[in-house]
Amino acid sequence: DAKTTQPPSMDCAEGRAANLPCNHSTISGNEYVYWYRQIHSQGPQYIIHGLKNNETNEMASLIITEDRKSSTLILPHATLRDTAVYYCIVRVTNDYKLSFGAGTTVTVRA
Amino acid sequence: GAGVSQSPSNKVTEKGKDVELRCDPISGHTALYWYRQSLGQGLEFLIYFQGNSAPDKSGLPSDRFSAERTGGSVSTLTIQRTQQEDSAVYLCASSFSGGPSPLHFGNGTRLTVT
Repeated sequence: DAKTTQPPSMDCAEGRAANLPCNHSTISGNEYVYWYRQIHSQGPQYIIHGLKNNETNEMASLIITEDRKSSTLILPHATLRDTAVYYCIVRVTNDYKLSFGAGTTVTVRA
Repeated sequence: GAGVSQSPSNKVTEKGKDVELRCDPISGHTALYWYRQSLGQGLEFLIYFQGNSAPDKSGLPSDRFSAERTGGSVSTLTIQRTQQEDSAVYLCASSFSGGPSPLHFGNGTRLTVT
């Protein structure tokens, strides 16, 4: 019973912004939105998380809608090394039984 | 700083042999987790350690699997009498405890049972 819905794949041009959507319409008030990515043969890499405010760090920005039913991860200037599977998950604090769905396979093209 | 370190990165073993997988968490992280990821599958929770509390072993698939964490730091996952269905990538993660602290993963150990 997936808590999040993401498009299966998307392409992005190198140097352009990549906007990755995620729907989490059943999110509860105490669940955070987390984004991870997994590059082939590596472990999942944490990107960013948020509760209701927009967040930005050195890797990406996270935009969460006011009703919190969806969010967008923004990679401001995609590079070829950003090619990966991106996972959006919702999680309450201290919930460690993570469930990654199929994610979005992002391919950055030169 | 140093991330989560796992060793070996690859392990090939014969069916029936025992294997030990090691995880070095990020310094200062009190929570440590083991997961496995089979080809094309999602993450499967195995076990969770938090400080000196009793670990949550509810995800271990059989009594052939066990894990320990010594001194609140390094952890070892042991699989006895390996079976072919144990073949997977075994991932370790660590985090600070409390609050929405994100999990940070190692690059895993790819286990192949022949």
